[in-house]
Amino acid sequence: SYVLTQPPSVSVAPGKTARITCGGNNIGSKSVHWYQQKPGQAPVLVIYYDSDRPSGIPERFSGSNSGNTATLTISRVEAGDEADYYCQVWDSSSDYWVFGGGTKLTVL
Amino acid sequence: EVQLVESGGGLVQPGGSLRLSCAASGFTFSSYSMNWVRQAPGKGLEWVSYISSSSSTIYYADSVKGRFTISRDNAKNSLYLQMNSLRAEDTAVYYCARVLYGGGTYYFDYWGQGTLVTVSS
Repeated sequence: SYVLTQPPSVSVAPGKTARITCGGNNIGSKSVHWYQQKPGQAPVLVIYYDSDRPSGIPERFSGSNSGNTATLTISRVEAGDEADYYCQVWDSSSDYWVFGGGTKLTVL
Repeated sequence: EVQLVESGGGLVQPGGSLRLSCAASGFTFSSYSMNWVRQAPGKGLEWVSYISSSSSTIYYADSVKGRFTISRDNAKNSLYLQMNSLRAEDTAVYYCARVLYGGGTYYFDYWGQGTLVTVSS
């Protein structure tokens, strides 16, 4: 089955840029979606179709996808961005919804 | 406003059964596919099951196939997950999520707050 690999943790200072990667075999050929989950809360969609933002998500959140790596970029990081972030794809070859293992973003 | 409210979680012994419900409101439930996603304590997200808007298409993760049954009642705006032969590893928060499809992919645009299932003797 398809596997998505994320770094367990990323740390960034306030006001800087955080980049969270999601690796997968030829992931650039798939659409990647990203979710933010704060402690004790349900996940929230922050990026879909690699780089589109749902309404209400700040422009500071952006995404890209090419080759074997998709990236969620958070610019001008704020304390409120501290959360777990998950990438997700749909594997059409097996009709499976696949999540990455999640990345804990720590704002220093 | 889209709302998804799960219920039915609780403590159950290994080998037991439980039925989860998800009450939907704020959108035309019968027009959307739905999913169940779970999260074990301190772990990541794991997809569990999918059902299309008309119930014509259903998928399960290998970890629950043959033990869990997803269903829906569009007249009652409700999604269900019947869980049988429960194991300790099924312990998790179970979320229902609305599914959107486009461009050859599916994603989840709204999630409920989840219901905790604990399988323990």
